[in-house]
Amino acid sequence: DGGITQSPKYLFRKEGQNVTLSCEQNLNHDAMYWYRQDPGQGLRLIYYSQIVNDFQKGDIAEGYSVSREKKESFPLTVTSAQKNPTAFYLCASSIDGQGNQPQHFGDGTRLSIL
Amino acid sequence: GQNIDQPTEMTATEGAIVQINCTYQTSGFNGLFWYQQHAGEAPTFLSYNVLDGLEEKGRFSSFLSRSKGYSYLLLKELQMKDSASYLCAVNGAAGNKLTFGGGTRVLVKP
Repeated sequence: DGGITQSPKYLFRKEGQNVTLSCEQNLNHDAMYWYRQDPGQGLRLIYYSQIVNDFQKGDIAEGYSVSREKKESFPLTVTSAQKNPTAFYLCASSIDGQGNQPQHFGDGTRLSIL
Repeated sequence: GQNIDQPTEMTATEGAIVQINCTYQTSGFNGLFWYQQHAGEAPTFLSYNVLDGLEEKGRFSSFLSRSKGYSYLLLKELQMKDSASYLCAVNGAAGNKLTFGGGTRVLVKP
């Protein structure tokens, strides 16, 4: 079945540690996105990529980094510079980077601080 | 800047109708999406409006007025499984970059 796979489902980070969240899609979508969701709130855009080897900062990129070396993969690294990383992280993809295509979401990764 | 407003919570009875409003102020407009999100799960796409008017999809309908910066999602014949958060999201610029509202949590009671 086609879809978006995020792993792990739950992740714990120690102080000063970088962690990487995986996002893989087999939908052949060009565009991919990372969002952060805090309890009771909407989604905020961290980074997005409209095509392979290209990505742009979203609204809350500080303390995060991404890469887009392959069309199917868009990993997100939460660095030690992100002082409040505890949140639900959602990866999404869309057919292209135009405005009329819905984004399809993975099941999310819940990150907590140890 | 971008600003999306929707009510925090609504309660309705099984079988009834509920209307979730969304108002937006954005620097551009390239379409409005509604998503459903059950607790702890991924959002799922419900509807897309880019022109004024009503789009109907079974029990769910979505309306848009671009001149008023206003949309609503109408849920008819409510079922218990409709208890979820409903997210309004606007594409306000070139490219598929969405700004989300805080979500409206709908609780359906028997």
